[in-house]
Amino acid sequence: AQTVTQSQPEMSVQEAETVTLSCTYDTSESDYYLFWYKQPPSRQMILVIRQEAYKQQNATENRFSVNFQKAAKSFSLKISDSQLGDAAMYFCAYRSTLISSGSARQLTFGSGTQLTVLP
Amino acid sequence: GAGVSQSPSNKVTEKGKDVELRCDPISGHTALYWYRQSLGQGLEFLIYFQGNSAPDKSGLPSDRFSAERTGGSVSTLTIQRTQQEDSAVYLCASSYPGHYEQYFGPGTRLTVT
Repeated sequence: AQTVTQSQPEMSVQEAETVTLSCTYDTSESDYYLFWYKQPPSRQMILVIRQEAYKQQNATENRFSVNFQKAAKSFSLKISDSQLGDAAMYFCAYRSTLISSGSARQLTFGSGTQLTVLP
Repeated sequence: GAGVSQSPSNKVTEKGKDVELRCDPISGHTALYWYRQSLGQGLEFLIYFQGNSAPDKSGLPSDRFSAERTGGSVSTLTIQRTQQEDSAVYLCASSYPGHYEQYFGPGTRLTVT
């Protein structure tokens, strides 16, 4: 079974600064998807960014980018020019692509990192 | 377009009562997932529906939990004889055929007193 680890329960960043959230995962599969979701106090889980394991190029979405290190099984999220609206719980998630896998379809989540943005 | 909707937003129930939680996925999304988010256990997968196929119930924690999906659209998660440990936020997500991203609803916060 796959596991996802977020070792930083809490992080803080000054507005306009850059912050990096860490995520590591364990899998024996070679093809999979990784995601970062954001959950503000409203509870709505919002997809921030995704990365396909077969792609070497790191995904970027505006101020959000990832550092995907497949060999190290690491998938960190960098938020540039942090804004007050970025304050939320951030979850890293893994999804297999193998239909035969018992956990192929659902997301496996890390425990989350609570990000505080300081004005 | 409209996102995933869930109702009720909050539900308080007495121990031993049955509850029903509803999820309305994004139109055209054939896959539907239920997750539970609790303080002690984080985010856990409960059940998965894909079109008219038999659901994957491998995440349901006990036989008190069941779910159905009518007409390939709306889904209802039922918890019978609720216990205090069932208190959690229940999240529903859906995805488009052939796509891996899941889009979540706002969740239902269930409190069992």
